[in-house]
Amino acid sequence: AQSVTQLGSHVSVSEGALVLLRCNYSSSVPPYLFWYVQYPNQGLQLLLKYTTGATLVKGINGFEAEFKKSETSFHLTKPSAHMSDAAEYFCAVSRSGGSYIPTFGRGTSLIVHP
Amino acid sequence: EPEVTQTPSHQVTQMGQEVILRCVPISNHLYFYWYRQILGQKVEFLVSFYNNEISEKSEIFDDQFSVERPDGSNFTLKIRSTKLEDSAMYFCASSVSGDPPLHFGNGTRLTVT
Repeated sequence: AQSVTQLGSHVSVSEGALVLLRCNYSSSVPPYLFWYVQYPNQGLQLLLKYTTGATLVKGINGFEAEFKKSETSFHLTKPSAHMSDAAEYFCAVSRSGGSYIPTFGRGTSLIVHP
Repeated sequence: EPEVTQTPSHQVTQMGQEVILRCVPISNHLYFYWYRQILGQKVEFLVSFYNNEISEKSEIFDDQFSVERPDGSNFTLKIRSTKLEDSAMYFCASSVSGDPPLHFGNGTRLTVT
């Protein structure tokens, strides 16, 4: 079985500050890992993904995430927050073999203050 | 960029009524999915569909639910007799192959009164 835990339902940062959204996963096989973003009244948009290879993954809008197998983590970071980054962020895991159906976390709402 | 489109964006229905949620996946995609998100909870997998049949389904996807690809472009989710607890945002997604990532639509917010 696979699962995802996102620590913190809400994260609040000031514009220009570091963004850190935490994600820990559980998977019995090597995982595929994803971050999706959901802006108000929109669908889920893929930010970045890890499948194999380099453990530091760069995505759109300046976000990146690092796969740390020893910590079973895939935290999302951005050096400097923009007001436009305010959204809901979802971490997801799927198996690297067998069923590829992603399992999502509860989501973290990022609030950016001026 | 091609998009997954869902209609309607918001549907209100009375308990016990049937609803059909509609989706148009990206045209060259072969795998289709429905997820739902109850307010404040996680995005949950309902069902995947490939080659005109269900390939996987979750425990949530009971006999009240059905999916269909009635023509070459639409993919529908039917709830036969809605319950209050079916109120949620329903997302359709598609992928080229069975590998992620999935491409999601904007969702249909279903409110059952």
